[in-house]
Amino acid sequence: AQSVTQPDIHITVSEGASLELRCNYSYGATPYLFWYVQSPGQGLQLLLKYFSGDTLVQGIKGFEAEFKRSQSSFNLRKPSVHWSDAAEYFCAVAPDNYGQNFVFGPGTRLSVLP
Amino acid sequence: ETGVTQSPTHLIKTRGQQVTLRCSSQSGHNTVSWYQQALGQGPQFIFQYYREEENGRGNFPPRFSGLQFPNYSSELNVNALELDDSALYLCASSSGSNQPQHFGDGTRLSIL
Repeated sequence: AQSVTQPDIHITVSEGASLELRCNYSYGATPYLFWYVQSPGQGLQLLLKYFSGDTLVQGIKGFEAEFKRSQSSFNLRKPSVHWSDAAEYFCAVAPDNYGQNFVFGPGTRLSVLP
Repeated sequence: ETGVTQSPTHLIKTRGQQVTLRCSSQSGHNTVSWYQQALGQGPQFIFQYYREEENGRGNFPPRFSGLQFPNYSSELNVNALELDDSALYLCASSSGSNQPQHFGDGTRLSIL
């Protein structure tokens, strides 16, 4: 069965600093990959997705992610963090087989220092 | 474009009761998935509906059941509520089972 790990439970960065959130997945083939963000008390918002093609994908709010097949990773990056980026970030995978379900990682909570 | 809406926003029940949560999918989406998100955890897949048929189910007991209607809206029903059912229940709609899912803000269910 597929699984997703996010090794960092909580990360704190200063405003303006760069950010990288790690995501590793376990799946036999290349899955569809997603990053979502969740603000307190709200649902999840899609930041970006990877289906195929260019392994560096751009998303909303200045985020990007790079798919590395050899490392089974899909890390999220942002060059300069804003205070409004403080939230919970979830990596998710969806197999490329019809009828299969999304699997979410446990999440990484991002705090931003002024 | 109308997004995913869920009702109610909050709900308090006692053990043994039954609850129905509702979800209206985003315009143009025919697939609805339900997730349970316990405090401090990632969402756990409950089940998915596609064109009114269940299209995949996670590791949840049969007392979790659902429906999808012709307009693609959906209900999640939970019978014989247990304390561990306290969670945020999220509904997500998409244009296919492995397409990006668009989430509602969830229903916060508390079991006393």
